[in-house]
Amino acid sequence: EAGVAQSPRYKIIEKRQSVAFWCNPISGHATLYWYQQILGQGPKLLIQFQNNGVVDDSQLPKDRFSAERLKGVDSTLKIQPAKLEDSAVYLCASSDRDPGFGEQFFGPGTRLTVL
Amino acid sequence: DQQVKQNSPSLSVQEGRISILNCDYTNSMFDYFLWYKKYPAEGPTFLISISSIKDKNEDGRFTVFLNKSAKHLSLHIVPSQPGDSAVYFCAASRYNQGGKLIFGQGTELSVKP
Repeated sequence: EAGVAQSPRYKIIEKRQSVAFWCNPISGHATLYWYQQILGQGPKLLIQFQNNGVVDDSQLPKDRFSAERLKGVDSTLKIQPAKLEDSAVYLCASSDRDPGFGEQFFGPGTRLTVL
Repeated sequence: DQQVKQNSPSLSVQEGRISILNCDYTNSMFDYFLWYKKYPAEGPTFLISISSIKDKNEDGRFTVFLNKSAKHLSLHIVPSQPGDSAVYFCAASRYNQGGKLIFGQGTELSVKP
């Protein structure tokens, strides 16, 4: 079974530029999560999808971040415009469990550097 | 507001000995706890979990203990192996919040041969 795929793996941009990340979850997983992991910290949830509906986006900075999950499968996370403090690893995870319990499977992440 | 805390940023243990990683939480509403392991340049991988109705869960060399009164959980690895060297994150969730995981800051474990 293929794992969660993410691309690109690394991205370097200037501040005020825009960037997009892509995630392909494990086949059949209805729940998809985007996390931000700043160096030295644990991952922090940005947004959660159940199929193609948003379950939780309370910690997504909506003035600059947006995310969508078309057809309940792949997802993209966009930042526009980027700030220096957005430098982090962006992790995508998926789960096939009832979204209350159960493990989440993580992709390798996209390391974003904003200069 | 750091609801899940791992106060030890690093831990060094000799191969074959026990590794004990600790985690404290502040929200008594958490009802499910997980440990993840992370190697460099990879995403976290699930290790073991425990529901709040239990106080212990074992899986091979890994055991998680939950002390609800102290709001504390720990991960024991016995015996420790060099391949266990990684960053370990504890995470907590509430069933009625859709599986949202709140992570600690992580503890970097180094197992020396």
